[in-house]
Amino acid sequence: EVQLVESGGGLVQPGGSLRLSCAASGFIFSTYWMSWVRQAPGKGPEWVANIKKDGSEIYYVDSVKGRFTISRDNAKNSLYLQMNNLRAEETAIYYCARTSYYYDRSGSIAGAFDIWGQGTMVTVSS
Amino acid sequence: DIQMTQSPSSLSASVGDRVTITCRASQGISNYLAWYQQKPGKVPKLLIYGASTLQSGVPSRFSGSGSGTDFTLTISSLQPEDVATYYCQKYNSAPWTFGQGTKVEIK
Repeated sequence: EVQLVESGGGLVQPGGSLRLSCAASGFIFSTYWMSWVRQAPGKGPEWVANIKKDGSEIYYVDSVKGRFTISRDNAKNSLYLQMNNLRAEETAIYYCARTSYYYDRSGSIAGAFDIWGQGTMVTVSS
Repeated sequence: DIQMTQSPSSLSASVGDRVTITCRASQGISNYLAWYQQKPGKVPKLLIYGASTLQSGVPSRFSGSGSGTDFTLTISSLQPEDVATYYCQKYNSAPWTFGQGTKVEIK
């Protein structure tokens, strides 16, 4: 069974840091792009970051650039999100998502999010 | 950045009705569009990718169409289990933006 299990969420003060982890199983992790998507209470999903299968390409939403770092360890089938200088408005459920891909002239491109984990709640509050 | 705008923001229809949701991109995105279903309290689920390709296991009453800037998600015969919020999402390039969602309820 394909499965993604997030961990590492919790309560943190504004300006604080958290490191989220996502453990993948049931598929060949090293052959997929992976993404983090968050959803604030009562709001729609917001893509945060994604990383190519070998880590050679990484993208972030503008609002987290310079503060968040996505990474992966293919030997451990794991995805990570280091979040620094957190803001209250970043309170959300953070989902790990397996990301499909397609090919164009420049190579492999991240596509739709075909498998989602159950999410981990991050609360930024004093 | 390309903006994704869905309409309507909510709708109420009867069981068996045909339901259509529209998603418009502020610039052309070819067919790099996905649709997701999120039932209350649940995780989003991929329904359609490539604007019109049904994800494995998704009922055939769901269909997608469109290319460029205008896309539609159609439920041919609304069922009680289709109560959910539906989101479109572009993936032609960064950022991978979602629409604001369309909440579907049963009348």
